[in-house]
Amino acid sequence: EPEVTQTPSHQVTQMGQEVILRCVPISNHLYFYWYRQILGQKVEFLVSFYNNEISEKSEIFDDQFSVERPDGSNFTLKIRSTKLEDSAMYFCASSEGLGSNEQFFGPGTRLTVL
Amino acid sequence: GDSVTQMEGPVTLSEEAFLTINCTYTATGYPSLFWYVQYPGEGLQLLLKATKADDKGSNKGFEATYRKETTSFHLEKGSVQVSDSAVYFCALSSTGRRALTFGSGTRLQVQP
Repeated sequence: EPEVTQTPSHQVTQMGQEVILRCVPISNHLYFYWYRQILGQKVEFLVSFYNNEISEKSEIFDDQFSVERPDGSNFTLKIRSTKLEDSAMYFCASSEGLGSNEQFFGPGTRLTVL
Repeated sequence: GDSVTQMEGPVTLSEEAFLTINCTYTATGYPSLFWYVQYPGEGLQLLLKATKADDKGSNKGFEATYRKETTSFHLEKGSVQVSDSAVYFCALSSTGRRALTFGSGTRLQVQP
């Protein structure tokens, strides 16, 4: 069964450093998403991406964040200068698009900012 | 704005007990409603969904009915198993949006 994969499973970084979280969505899906879950809090939407551009973003997704689909398979989330409060589990998801908003999630990357 | 409210956990049940996890929502228009499940150490998996009023979503013995009049989407299962132990998230996507708005999650613990 096709699945969304994410790497790394755990990333530890120093405050102020740049991090790139990687995702491989399901191959025939057209929409891609990033969500995050700070420990003990709700899963929060960050951004959705379609046709090589951002289609929707939340107020959390400020200038420190960017997304990219550098090739036909990967989808990345970059945080330019990490803050302590960026520590969270980051989930990538994808959906077929068109009429379906059934989103399939990856296992997540735990980001720890020291 | 959109919001989802779930009952707080943990919910602890004995095997074969009846399960209800309450979920209510606030949204404009006619949102689509979802239940996701997260097993320990894994990502979120879609459990079931409903896209219009009075729809019933069902999967693996779980079911939930989209109730527009009470803005609710309660999750039920007639007989839980130990393997159902997980965190359950209610979520919605508003008309014209793809972003999912999640509730805070409810941890279910089923004891043998």
